[in-house]
Amino acid sequence: IAGITQAPTSQILAAGRRMTLRCTQDMRHNAMYWYRQDLGLGLRLIHYSNTAGTTGKGEVPDGYSVSRANTDDFPLTLASAVPSQTSVYFCASSKTSGGVDEQFFGPGTRLTVL
Amino acid sequence: GQNIDQPTEMTATEGAIVQINCTYQTSGFNGLFWYQQHAGEAPTFLSYNVLDGLEEKGRFSSFLSRSKGYSYLLLKELQMKDSASYLCAVSESNYQLIWGAGTKLIIKP
Repeated sequence: IAGITQAPTSQILAAGRRMTLRCTQDMRHNAMYWYRQDLGLGLRLIHYSNTAGTTGKGEVPDGYSVSRANTDDFPLTLASAVPSQTSVYFCASSKTSGGVDEQFFGPGTRLTVL
Repeated sequence: GQNIDQPTEMTATEGAIVQINCTYQTSGFNGLFWYQQHAGEAPTFLSYNVLDGLEEKGRFSSFLSRSKGYSYLLLKELQMKDSASYLCAVSESNYQLIWGAGTKLIIKP
């Protein structure tokens, strides 16, 4: 692995189903982030983690949960998907959580909720 | 409130120069980032400004004026591969990034 990987690449999901988007980084970065990107809007932060074992809510956390059991992995779970969660989801990481480091992005997951 | 404004779309000619502006109103300021995003791909880092002035990096330069809440990204000697969206993001006082909607740059031969 080099950098950040995300899985799946794309997914079509029925409303009401549970879904976990996976994210793994091999750069030993402390901070990780989940964003959603919708047409005409900027990237919006869903949840973040400043270091393993801690998580925080971003701008649009409702309907999503995360965990950070170790440094490398940061899964995002949709407990009961709704059509408004149709979006492209990007996982990112940075060396520190100070907001001054470059963020490295995964390739994204395109999610469609029907 | 928080707000970052960028033009939605710009068109420029191969070999020319283009300036993409970004204005911001945020809760605190810890620096401004520019990212490039090709269609269907992830954003990639271009520049970071925390002090006023111009930072030059090859064909790309980024300028910041904190007192005016203003930045621009200057792209010189445009190439077709520069066709992409350019995202402006500000690090706020809570160290989270607030992102603009991005400027889609179209390069014509």
